[in-house]
Amino acid sequence: EDKVVQSPLSLVVHEGDTVTLNCSYEVTNFRSLLWYKQEKKAPTFLFMLTSSGIEKKSGRLSSILDKKELFSILNITATQTGDSAIYLCAAGVGAQKLVFGQGTRLTINP
Amino acid sequence: GAGVSQSPSNKVTEKGKDVELRCDPISGHTALYWYRQSLGQGLEFLIYFQGNSAPDKSGLPSDRFSAERTGGSVSTLTIQRTQQEDSAVYLCASSSSPGTGGEQYFGPGTRLTVT
Repeated sequence: EDKVVQSPLSLVVHEGDTVTLNCSYEVTNFRSLLWYKQEKKAPTFLFMLTSSGIEKKSGRLSSILDKKELFSILNITATQTGDSAIYLCAAGVGAQKLVFGQGTRLTINP
Repeated sequence: GAGVSQSPSNKVTEKGKDVELRCDPISGHTALYWYRQSLGQGLEFLIYFQGNSAPDKSGLPSDRFSAERTGGSVSTLTIQRTQQEDSAVYLCASSSSPGTGGEQYFGPGTRLTVT
């Protein structure tokens, strides 16, 4: 059975801290690893990773994939209260199916 | 349209009634997906359409759930004889081309409450 596991499930930090969110996957026919941010209802796309060891960056956010060890991390530096959200990791499987982890709820306190 | 839209945004129904949830994907997107998100959980894949056909229905939880897509655009998810465990947010997503293994754009979801 395809499985994606995120850790921690919940994280509370102070504004300005750096956080690392973890995602491990065990799926057949792996195609890609995606990160989404969910603040209210609709998840919004952050990154898609297909190659090992190549970091993707967008402002204070960055992510990297390790296809040998089957995990990815999402880093957020100099966190702000607006970063508070649920961060979802998903493995792209087969033609277009996404298998999601349970999410990490990140809370940034001022 | 500018983004994926879903209706209704909220639906409260009595146990045993049928409900229909609607999704309008981004114009030109050929692939459409339905997911379910129960309280405090990640997204659970339900069904995927490529054009009007559904090559992967593996996630539908029971035969009370069905979905169709017409004209390669709008999709409806129908839940018959709703049960309390069907209460969840139902999210629709679309993507532009097959085989990307990738980016899906999500709608705001329909929050279904079965009383």
